[in-house]
Amino acid sequence: AQKVTQAQTEISVVEKEDVTLDCVYETRDTTYYLFWYKQPPSGELVFLIRRNSFDEQNEISGRYSWNFQKSTSSFNFTITASQVVDSAVYFCALSEAGGGSNYKLTFGKGTLLTVNP
Amino acid sequence: ETGVTQTPRHLVMGMTNKKSLKCEQHLGHNAMYWYKQSAKKPLELMFVYNFKEQTENNSVPSRFSPECPNSSHLFLHLHTLQPEDSALYLCASSPRRLGFWTGELFFGEGSRLTVL
Repeated sequence: AQKVTQAQTEISVVEKEDVTLDCVYETRDTTYYLFWYKQPPSGELVFLIRRNSFDEQNEISGRYSWNFQKSTSSFNFTITASQVVDSAVYFCALSEAGGGSNYKLTFGKGTLLTVNP
Repeated sequence: ETGVTQTPRHLVMGMTNKKSLKCEQHLGHNAMYWYKQSAKKPLELMFVYNFKEQTENNSVPSRFSPECPNSSHLFLHLHTLQPEDSALYLCASSPRRLGFWTGELFFGEGSRLTVL
């Protein structure tokens, strides 16, 4: 069975601080995808990134960066120089790579990030 | 604006009522999903529809009845719900690229349901 653990329930930082959100996953699949989604107060989840299990290169997109470590089954998300608009719940998710089959995402419980001015 | 619209945004109903949640996507996607989000719990997948056919029912009680008349519309019919069914119900859609599901979900803003 697949499982995603986000140990940090809530994080509070001051604007401009760097913050890392942890994600640890469990799967028996050799091929899988990892995701991060952001849920602002408005409610809709917004896709941030998808990472293939074969690609362990870290990725940077503006102030966001992701560190995929297959050896520790972790896919951590770092926000550099955080801003108030980054305040949201962030979800890590895992899916089997089924090709033409449904994509069923297993979500973690989420981490509530509050960035204070 | 994500291209996925859910109505109503808020719904309060008694346990004997019948109501429906509506989801519409304008993105041309072929798969649509219902998720349930309860406080302090992971998002729970409820139903998946591919090309209007239900391909997943994640052991959801029969008091929740989905309907997908076409690839753009998805309904969740609610009947004799329980207070523990109070939650945010999220609709999502996803595309296929080069014949494969990308896993990228596009979510609506959700329908906040309160069952009294």
